[in-house]
Amino acid sequence: GAVVSQHPSRVICKSGTSVKIECRSLDFQATTMFWYRQFPKKSLMLMATSNEGSKATYEQGVEKDKFLINHASLTLSTLTVTSAHPEDSSFYICSARPNGNTEAFFGQGTRLTVV
Amino acid sequence: GIQVEQSPPDLILQEGANSTLRCNFSDSVNNLQWFHQNPWGQLINLFYIPSGTKQNGRLSATTVATERYSLLYISSSQTTDSGVYFCAVRLGGFQKLVFGTGTRLLVSP
Repeated sequence: GAVVSQHPSRVICKSGTSVKIECRSLDFQATTMFWYRQFPKKSLMLMATSNEGSKATYEQGVEKDKFLINHASLTLSTLTVTSAHPEDSSFYICSARPNGNTEAFFGQGTRLTVV
Repeated sequence: GIQVEQSPPDLILQEGANSTLRCNFSDSVNNLQWFHQNPWGQLINLFYIPSGTKQNGRLSATTVATERYSLLYISSSQTTDSGVYFCAVRLGGFQKLVFGTGTRLLVSP
């Protein structure tokens, strides 16, 4: 199967700082990538759809200025949590589908803790 | 929006037992996947199964799209099967996957 790599796997940051999470498709190109958020013992909720070379599409209720998404190439999307607060602490996970493929693959996830 | 419900929410099994997990969805879909989320959070692809039946070792899945449900069968369960199982669906014309509520499985030795 296709491989999606996410980095870092775990990060602790202070309130008010920004954190960048990278999502890379290692063996395929992806015009579109997806960012999900998961709270403890809950399901995955889509935050935004990242589109290569254009603006991301955010789900209702997701602050686009808080969660900045950049999809600068066909193999890399980044999520930046700006001015992080403790309530932003969560598990963030990205997904991508090879162009022309219908099966989605997921990164390892990033556990963010804001102190 | 579409609702994706999984049952049971929690399941405890003895090693060696069989189980059936269910995924019900409220609208027609053109893509359905089953995932296993391990204790470290990694989502592992189990099946891409918009319709029909597939088998992979001790696991098999069946999707009856016309009746809007899918089943995941786990036979001869092992402790390494523990974790959370999610189904996720994609509606026609949309790219995003909508996840189900999940089934948390614990297999004890």
